Amino acid sequence: TQLLEQSPQFLSIQEGENLTVYCNSSSVFSSLQWYRQEPGEGPVLLVTVVTGGEVKKLKRLTFQFGDARKDSSLHITAAQPGDTGLYLCAGEPQGGSEKLVFGKGTKLTVNP
Amino acid sequence: NAGVMQNPRHLVRRRGQEARLRCSPMKGHSHVYWYRQLPEEGLKFMVYLQKENIIDESGMPKERFSAEFPKEGPSILRIQQVVRGDSAAYFCASSPQGADTEAFFGQGTRLTVV
Repeated sequence: TQLLEQSPQFLSIQEGENLTVYCNSSSVFSSLQWYRQEPGEGPVLLVTVVTGGEVKKLKRLTFQFGDARKDSSLHITAAQPGDTGLYLCAGEPQGGSEKLVFGKGTKLTVNP
Repeated sequence: NAGVMQNPRHLVRRRGQEARLRCSPMKGHSHVYWYRQLPEEGLKFMVYLQKENIIDESGMPKERFSAEFPKEGPSILRIQQVVRGDSAAYFCASSPQGADTEAFFGQGTRLTVV
């Protein structure tokens, strides 16, 4: 059972465009994290959101946690080639055993 | 402060051999998680350990796979009698407490079974 559904699976855009990546679930999460992974490397944590409705900004990246804590989005403004990578959302299911469950990821390519 | 260290980075094994993957958590971290990642896929949880204890191994195959996190030394993920389907990237993450604190990942071990 895939608890976290990410969309789109693949995204190829031109430099300067905006984009939004979605992470959806029917389950409630205590917290949700976004990671970026480059080829041959481990995931690097970008942000953790904990409160329903929370919005966090990291330079050109805006992260939002849904009011019901079941979904999240990542919005990138004026994408740059350096943003290319695999974006993964991960969450700790409420009442779970403290393990993170991951979505399959969105593979983003930003063309110069 | 060194990050999560995994070794080896690349491991090639013939079918039927044993694979041992090591993970040294960040200093001060007592919680270790192992994940497996297939190409073009997200990470799949395998096992969650604290020092000397397995807390959750619900994602680990019942046969051939085992994990430990001894009082001294790194966490070890052991795969006996490897098969081609075991080929994947195996990532370890550590945190100071449970997953409600931030988990940091190592660079992974890429296992290839030939």
